[in-house]
Amino acid sequence: DAMVIQNPRYQVTQFGKPVTLSCSQTLNHNVMYWYQQKSSQAPKLLFHYYDKDFNNEADTPDNFQSRRPNTSFCFLDIRSPGLGDAAMYLCATSRDEGFYEQYFGPGTRLTVT
Amino acid sequence: AQSVTQPDIHITVSEGASLELRCNYSYGATPYLFWYVQSPGQGLQLLLKYFSGDTLVQGIKGFEAEFKRSQSSFNLRKPSVHWSDAAEYFCAVGAPRGSQGNLIFGKGTKLSVKP
Repeated sequence: DAMVIQNPRYQVTQFGKPVTLSCSQTLNHNVMYWYQQKSSQAPKLLFHYYDKDFNNEADTPDNFQSRRPNTSFCFLDIRSPGLGDAAMYLCATSRDEGFYEQYFGPGTRLTVT
Repeated sequence: AQSVTQPDIHITVSEGASLELRCNYSYGATPYLFWYVQSPGQGLQLLLKYFSGDTLVQGIKGFEAEFKRSQSSFNLRKPSVHWSDAAEYFCAVGAPRGSQGNLIFGKGTKLSVKP
């Protein structure tokens, strides 16, 4: 009965080599979020989709992009990963417009070598 | 601007002892408040939430939290801690923007449990 699924759980990429992280949800929620969490820090929102409407945070680097081909899936693309992009990446969903609690996936731990 | 402060970076308690984790928020209107728990290498799990109504809210795993508007606080409590409660705890305030809503997290409190 997994609700928010992230693949892979661990990803190793090389400096500058593009990487894509995947998130899927079985909750049929309208809103999907991507967070970056570095060690011993709070999650930091990168962007979110309300349905197909993309909302980028002002301080999210251009190196980070996202795609949401349908309700269930959302992807995080890092075009040219740097060493500073090594982090846990968390996907979350929430139900609909207005404010509802967010449900998080288990995260993808990204290592950049 | 909205903000969340968790003043304790790290707390150690003995198994069976009571626990209180502090959270203070800054928000101009009635906030939506949350506590999440994160085990090492895992995502965040919602423990409880406050939207309105009764200021004492019950959550999963025996946790509760009390909203105190006068103190801008939403402290998390548990009467008897278990070793499995060792984790990082994040307080968050919901800051609706447009129709989507965003969470602002505190920096977290790491809980260690002594046998």
